[in-house]
Amino acid sequence: NAGVTQTPKFQVLKTGQSMTLQCAQDMNHNSMYWYRQDPGMGLRLIYYSASEGTTDKGEVPNGYNVSRLNKREFSLRLESAAPSQTSVYFCASTTGTGGYQPQHFGDGTRLSIL
Amino acid sequence: GNSVTQMEGPVTLSEEAFLTINCTYTATGYPSLFWYVQYPGEGLQLLLKATKADDKGSNKGFEATYRKETTSFHLEKGSVQVSDSAVYFCALGASNAGNMLTFGGGTRLMVKP
Repeated sequence: NAGVTQTPKFQVLKTGQSMTLQCAQDMNHNSMYWYRQDPGMGLRLIYYSASEGTTDKGEVPNGYNVSRLNKREFSLRLESAAPSQTSVYFCASTTGTGGYQPQHFGDGTRLSIL
Repeated sequence: GNSVTQMEGPVTLSEEAFLTINCTYTATGYPSLFWYVQYPGEGLQLLLKATKADDKGSNKGFEATYRKETTSFHLEKGSVQVSDSAVYFCALGASNAGNMLTFGGGTRLMVKP
């Protein structure tokens, strides 16, 4: 049982380049999330998808877009990467009302913007 | 809004020492509380949870009690091991936050042999 799978695990980009971070879960979860983790800042929510076909902004959405491709997959896109987006990105999923249910996390994508 | 405050680390302990990591929260209504653990190079894993006041969550020797009167959810372990070295996150889930969790800043624990 893979759980939440993120690709790639590592990526280095130049300022201005674009890329898409992929996330897939095999637990039949309804809700999916994208976080970024910066030193001393904990995790901050970028975007989330409460259910297939819906997406909403989180705490720090600027510079990002998301797509809930189907129930399994939720991608995060950086259209024009900036050094401030250097971070570790985590995808998570949960069954339903995420506020009361534990979220399951992937192993993260370590992204560096030069 | 909702917020979670954790003690800053790093916390450095010798093996078999007693551990406490403080966590306090601000929320309206009746939130659920969680502790997550992150080992080096990995994602977050749920360690324990409590969904109502006076509940005690426990797992792998770790415990935390949901104290509504002090708005706290402190993590404790009686005897830590080197393998407990990790970053610990306190988190809150509340009905007024939709499907979102609010995380504390994390506390790094280092256990020396």
